[in-house]
Amino acid sequence: SAVISQKPSRDICQRGTSLTIQCQVDSQVTMMFWYRQQPGQSLTLIATANQGSEATYESGFVIDKFPISRPNLTFSTLTVSNMSPEDSSIYLCSVERAPLRGSQETQYFGPGTRLLVL
Amino acid sequence: QKEVEQNSGPLSVPEGAIASLNCTYSDRGSQSFFWYRQYSGKSPELIMFIYSNGDKEDGRFTAQLNKASQYVSLLIRDSQPSDSATYLCAVITGGGNKLTFGTGTQLKVEL
Repeated sequence: SAVISQKPSRDICQRGTSLTIQCQVDSQVTMMFWYRQQPGQSLTLIATANQGSEATYESGFVIDKFPISRPNLTFSTLTVSNMSPEDSSIYLCSVERAPLRGSQETQYFGPGTRLLVL
Repeated sequence: QKEVEQNSGPLSVPEGAIASLNCTYSDRGSQSFFWYRQYSGKSPELIMFIYSNGDKEDGRFTAQLNKASQYVSLLIRDSQPSDSATYLCAVITGGGNKLTFGTGTQLKVEL
């Protein structure tokens, strides 16, 4: 698996402000992913972050709202900009690793950041 | 039609019974299938993956895949109260590495 940490673990923010979430992995990975999990819902992919290139955003998510940085192979940040109460959610980063030698890579998740926007 | 569908539950089973969790998917070209367990307030944890038709066993867990029927299931034998969680089915879709998740099935194992 992978050791993944996220900061902050939780935060309460005022509407109109921005929050940057950090994701750190214990070893180099090519791809990192950012998901959102709204209350009682499943995971929705926001974007895929590759080192050295711009993030690829999924339908319904835009760079102006969710800018992502990927400065190296072990670190990424997701910013939630100009927040509204609808942005209250859990934000998760994940990385790809092969669970067994020779098997296809799958995704392992960080502990998540619980965001409440008032 | 949703890409990955699961019954939201809750599915209640008595301790020691077999819990059967089901998932269907729409992309016939999907090749890789995963089950994640998510405890309340925690992030998803990978418990099983399966790529080939048939059964794959790991301890008390068995994943079953039927590509012709576009159906994947997870059996949990000798269910324990600690198995109470939401189980998420995830499928690699679109021929790339994008994971698409179902909405999850809540499992409750009762004493």
